[in-house]
Amino acid sequence: DAMVIQNPRYQVTQFGKPVTLSCSQTLNHNVMYWYQQKSSQAPKLLFHYYDKDFNNEADTPDNFQSRRPNTSFCFLDIRSPGLGDAAMYLCATSRRPGQGREQYFGPGTRLTVT
Amino acid sequence: AQSVAQPEDQVNVAEGNPLTVKCTYSVSGNPYLFWYVQYPNRGLQFLLKYITGDNLVKGSYGFEAEFNKSQTSFHLKKPSALVSDSALYFCAVRFQTGANNLFFGTGTRLTVIP
Repeated sequence: DAMVIQNPRYQVTQFGKPVTLSCSQTLNHNVMYWYQQKSSQAPKLLFHYYDKDFNNEADTPDNFQSRRPNTSFCFLDIRSPGLGDAAMYLCATSRRPGQGREQYFGPGTRLTVT
Repeated sequence: AQSVAQPEDQVNVAEGNPLTVKCTYSVSGNPYLFWYVQYPNRGLQFLLKYITGDNLVKGSYGFEAEFNKSQTSFHLKKPSALVSDSALYFCAVRFQTGANNLFFGTGTRLTVIP
């Protein structure tokens, strides 16, 4: 089945220690998104790639970076995680950034910062 | 300001009864509206969307939603609730004048009581 896969599902890192979260998709979608979802809150878009074009949200901290080496994979790098970065990180894809297109979400990676 | 709101944090309904999860939006112009469901420790799952056309939209798992332009609402409904419908429901909107960002409501936790 075509799907969005996120690894790992649970990640524990230490304060200040860089961490990378992974997302892959078999849908062959052009757009890949990263969202941050804190407990009992709505998902918040961090950035997205439309093919190789990177689009950062204005309020995304510099501590968060992303890489998309090919169509299938996208990575979220947190350079120096703080306690406030503990959250669920959701990867999503869509075929193109058309306004009416729904997004397909992976299961998420729950990040704990100790 | 453009926004989406889910006025109820929690909705409880007895199994077999109809359910409604409310969503309202504030936007200039025509929005694209979506409903997603999130089960514990899982990503968001697309349920349905309104783009244009018939105001009553049917989606997955027997859910439907009615777009009401005069009331700026997009309430999610189901005629007969199942215990397995218990989850967190998010309304989301993408504005035609905006970019690719999906703006999510704060979510409504639905509990179906056996």
